[in-house]
Amino acid sequence: QVQLVQSGAEVKTPGSSAKVSCKASGGSFSNYVIGWVRQAPGQGLEWMGRIISFMDKTDYAPKFRDRVTITADTSTSTFYMDLSDLRSEDTAIYYCAFGSISVRLGPRGAWYGPWGQGTLLTVSS
Amino acid sequence: DIQMTQSPSTLSASVGDRVTLTCRASQDISEWLAWYQQKPGQAPKLLVYQASNLQKGVPARFSGGGSGTDFTLTISSLQPDDFATYYCQQYISYATFGQGTKVDLK
Repeated sequence: QVQLVQSGAEVKTPGSSAKVSCKASGGSFSNYVIGWVRQAPGQGLEWMGRIISFMDKTDYAPKFRDRVTITADTSTSTFYMDLSDLRSEDTAIYYCAFGSISVRLGPRGAWYGPWGQGTLLTVSS
Repeated sequence: DIQMTQSPSTLSASVGDRVTLTCRASQDISEWLAWYQQKPGQAPKLLVYQASNLQKGVPARFSGGGSGTDFTLTISSLQPDDFATYYCQQYISYATFGQGTKVDLK
């Protein structure tokens, strides 16, 4: 049973960067997809990007491509989402989620579950 | 980019009701659709993948259907634990979520 545990809440100032971690346990992480999704206060879910281990590949949503970096430390089964040039509108809960890929579809897309508990990032001066 | 549109935004229902939520894709996504449930203060929970496959452990009162551009999530008999917000997500190309449907008590 895969479990994802995320780092704690952070408060950052505009223009700075934030790095959220997501530690996985309970499964095999030699072949995995980890996605990152955010949710602004009172709003819906927004996919930011993902890392695919067996392809050594990352993909990002166009909106975040210039500011987000997703990495993995396979030795500790920990995944990271780094968001730079923070703005007040980046205030949100950030989730990591374990992705599954269909053999028929291939790595074009993934569905996500389970999810980490979420990390609240507040950007304020 | 593929856009996902859910309707209605809010659905008011009573315990025991059969409810159907709708999700429409801006282009053909075949069967590559998932549904999630989210309760206040909690992370989303996967309910259905590949349009109609129930995730392990999800009650059988939930069912998903559709293909192409039009999809549904049906709860056959609404239970108190089902009042929540539901999101659809396409994954034929990366991922896009719908804006959500909140199911509340009539």
